[in-house]
Amino acid sequence: QVQLVQSGAEVKKPGASVKVSCKASGYTFTSYGISWVRQAPGQGLEWMGWISAYNGNTNYAQKLQGRVTMTTDTSTSTAYMELRSLRSDDTAVYYCARADMSGYPLDWGQGTLVTVSS
Amino acid sequence: QSALTQPASVSGSPGQSITISCTGTSSDVGSYNLVSWYQQHPGKAPKLMIYEGSKRPSGVSNRFSGSKSGNTASLTISGLQAEDEADYYCCSYAGSHVVFGGGTKLTVL
Repeated sequence: QVQLVQSGAEVKKPGASVKVSCKASGYTFTSYGISWVRQAPGQGLEWMGWISAYNGNTNYAQKLQGRVTMTTDTSTSTAYMELRSLRSDDTAVYYCARADMSGYPLDWGQGTLVTVSS
Repeated sequence: QSALTQPASVSGSPGQSITISCTGTSSDVGSYNLVSWYQQHPGKAPKLMIYEGSKRPSGVSNRFSGSKSGNTASLTISGLQAEDEADYYCCSYAGSHVVFGGGTKLTVL
């Protein structure tokens, strides 16, 4: 069965960076993409971007352009999402999800809480 | 990249049917047959319930169905059960990016 296991919770100071990992199993990693979605406390889902695990092509949400980088390591079937220049409103649960070529999520990881606080 | 519009809340009694709407534009919902719906229980990750507008993943009850007309997609849940109480989000491909709705809280009375 498809499984996506994310790294643990993080606490960061404003201005710092965070890198969240997402290890995939149960499917052919390079046949799909990985989307990243975040959810601020008590709020809705926000799509952050998508990366093709086949060739590394990326599409990022406009509001995060320049602050986010998504990468994959096909040797370990792991995806990474790095967010820089963190602000308090980046506090959220960050999810990775197996996604098809259009980017909409299929199967979700368990989520990683990132707290940005001074 | 504006969010899709969903009602904040809907409610229904056990056994009844409810429909949640999701209104977008001709740049997203209206242009692509790539609307998906997710169910999220408190403290849990979302779960895919409908994809490509009306298809159900394996294991999802046939009480859940999806449709689309113009720029509006809809999720219908028939035979409401207590376990259906959750937040529901629609999502659409919008040509190089993906946009979510604001979410709808379903209460089973």
